[in-house]
Amino acid sequence: GAVVSQHPSWVICKSGTSVKIECRSLDFQATTMFWYRQFPKQSLMLMATSNEGSKATYEQGVEKDKFLINHASLTLSTLTVTSAHPEDSSFYICSAPRGRGPPFSTDTQYFGPGTRLTVL
Amino acid sequence: GDSVTQMEGPVTLSEEAFLTINCTYTATGYPSLFWYVQYPGEGLQLLLKATKADDKGSNKGFEATYRKETTSFHLEKGSVQVSDSAVYFCALSGGYQKVTFGTGTKLQVIP
Repeated sequence: GAVVSQHPSWVICKSGTSVKIECRSLDFQATTMFWYRQFPKQSLMLMATSNEGSKATYEQGVEKDKFLINHASLTLSTLTVTSAHPEDSSFYICSAPRGRGPPFSTDTQYFGPGTRLTVL
Repeated sequence: GDSVTQMEGPVTLSEEAFLTINCTYTATGYPSLFWYVQYPGEGLQLLLKATKADDKGSNKGFEATYRKETTSFHLEKGSVQVSDSAVYFCALSGGYQKVTFGTGTKLQVIP
């Protein structure tokens, strides 16, 4: 069964509004979670690393004021897309590594099912 | 930087057909290579991996061999089933948990 969940699984919003996406590790604690974004027919791109109790680390080119990440507990990370615009429409996926780290072994990363965001 | 290229889909096969999904990569050093599978409505799951040249990863009848000379990691299965219908992602990790993914290949197996 799924060990990482995401909510919502899909969301449609109006341009200019903010949308929050939750990522939960269901049966383990995750001090680190990763947020990815996938455009149609393109690769998953790592956006940021979410760290419990500290600031997220963003990949080059990702606007930290646009994509707010909060890792408030050991089982929950949230990604808020602020003032969303149609170009933010995408598929957002989180992952959580299980076990000690960093560094984390890639094959212990568990992925959520993804959230489809459509901005009108 | 690192990159992964895999064949576009969808790939449609009849049940019991032979499957090959091509994957090539570009990376510095000696990355680990992975295949992930995503079934409808579920998260990505690790299918198999190989950590060094000539290693063969295998799981659930799927195989892939790490070919450094051709920088490839093609996924194969001798006889596909309807339950194998999913999206397959080739990926590499050069270390420190950062994973580079391919674009994904959708496989449809028809009875």
